Amino acid sequence: DAKTTQPPSMDCAEGRAANLPCNHSTISGNEYVYWYRQIHSQGPQYIIHGLKNNETNEMASLIITEDRKSSTLILPHATLRDTAVYYCIVVTDSWGKFQFGAGTQVVVTP
Amino acid sequence: AAGVIQSPRHLIKEKRETATLKCYPIPRHDTVYWYQQGPGQDPQFLISFYEKMQSDKGSIPDRFSAQQFSDYHSELNMSSLELGDSALYFCASSFARGNEQFFGPGTRLTVL
Repeated sequence: DAKTTQPPSMDCAEGRAANLPCNHSTISGNEYVYWYRQIHSQGPQYIIHGLKNNETNEMASLIITEDRKSSTLILPHATLRDTAVYYCIVVTDSWGKFQFGAGTQVVVTP
Repeated sequence: AAGVIQSPRHLIKEKRETATLKCYPIPRHDTVYWYQQGPGQDPQFLISFYEKMQSDKGSIPDRFSAQQFSDYHSELNMSSLELGDSALYFCASSFARGNEQFFGPGTRLTVL
């Protein structure tokens, strides 16, 4: 599976949009981009995933560049409860095992 | 909605003892994954099962074994426990391989 690179930390003001970048320059054509977050030792929580097209759900939006070498997770209106470690994971569609990288520690401040 | 159930939630063992962790996937999910998260570390994939057969293997020590039963629940058996086995153990389930995984709350294992 392709490796991912994320900034180690990011601060965001409550109510503002949080844009979390992820680099996955070696991604293959059959690999999906998944985003999860982990709030203080709880089980990782699924946020969103995509292959080529941009995706949006009730939690976030996922923007994938046309060459698929990077993506951005957008939390439209960050709240204090969004403080967590956010993981960008690339995984093949046929196997599904997740290789967690270092993730981005997001701190939302009042 | 039903979630992944893990038991026990906390477990304290002595060195060289054995431990069994259980995972009950979301109903109709046929794939189970096990992950280990040491203190201050990111989750590491251990092993997965699809339709009761081992599907993939990660950095799982030989002292550990796991299986998936006919009702799709899974058990992770850990023998000759070491201090370094102290960690959070997460189970996740999905409908078929390659789909989004839903994680349980984890079992915190402490080896003394």
